[in-house]
Amino acid sequence: QSALTQPASVSGSPGQSITISCTGTSSDVGGYNYVSWYQQYPGKAPKLMIYEVSNRPSGVSNRFSGSKSGNTASLTISGLQAEDEADYYCSSYTSSSRYVFGTGTKVTVL
Amino acid sequence: EVQLVQSGAEVKKPGESLKISCKGSGYSFANYWIGWVRQMPGKGLEWMGIIYPGDSDTRYSPSFQGQVTISADKSISTAYLQWSSLKASDTAMYYCAKYSGTYSDYWGQGTLVTVSS
Repeated sequence: QSALTQPASVSGSPGQSITISCTGTSSDVGGYNYVSWYQQYPGKAPKLMIYEVSNRPSGVSNRFSGSKSGNTASLTISGLQAEDEADYYCSSYTSSSRYVFGTGTKVTVL
Repeated sequence: EVQLVQSGAEVKKPGESLKISCKGSGYSFANYWIGWVRQMPGKGLEWMGIIYPGDSDTRYSPSFQGQVTISADKSISTAYLQWSSLKASDTAMYYCAKYSGTYSDYWGQGTLVTVSS
């Protein structure tokens, strides 16, 4: 099972919107609406930000939104803030009843 | 309050065995999958495998099948990740995570494993 493909880095100025892509195959991202997104600060455990493509857990800012088209899922952060600077990972359920993570994206707030 | 508390950091030599733990509380441990995730220094998250404590149904990533063993003891709400013969390349942070359906809603604090001669 190959890792899902994410851009290594994405940057934006405060207040702007950025989008992180997560590309897989029809055996994972494209086959199920079971994509989740995680935020990770250095030295900390990951935190769930989006589940089942576009659902936000309680307590997560509505500046975070998710979507999917075909084999590519996306995480959009609107109104970018300094506190959003972190690593972001997508994850998908797969046809082999397992899971796979994306390669990870470092978000930089300029 | 849901919590996953992992065992402390370990320093081991190549060839040694190791078993680290993840104790769940605040929820019905037997009824939710627990997964293990590796993060090597400066690298991304890697999904290792998952176990359902209720019946010990276990699924491994092909990359980790045969390299580690995942187990659970539902009587003490604890999941385990073990190695029979560690290698330097096993040096990493290991996280456990509770699955709610198809996503990890709670994570342990991580266990740092260092393998060095």
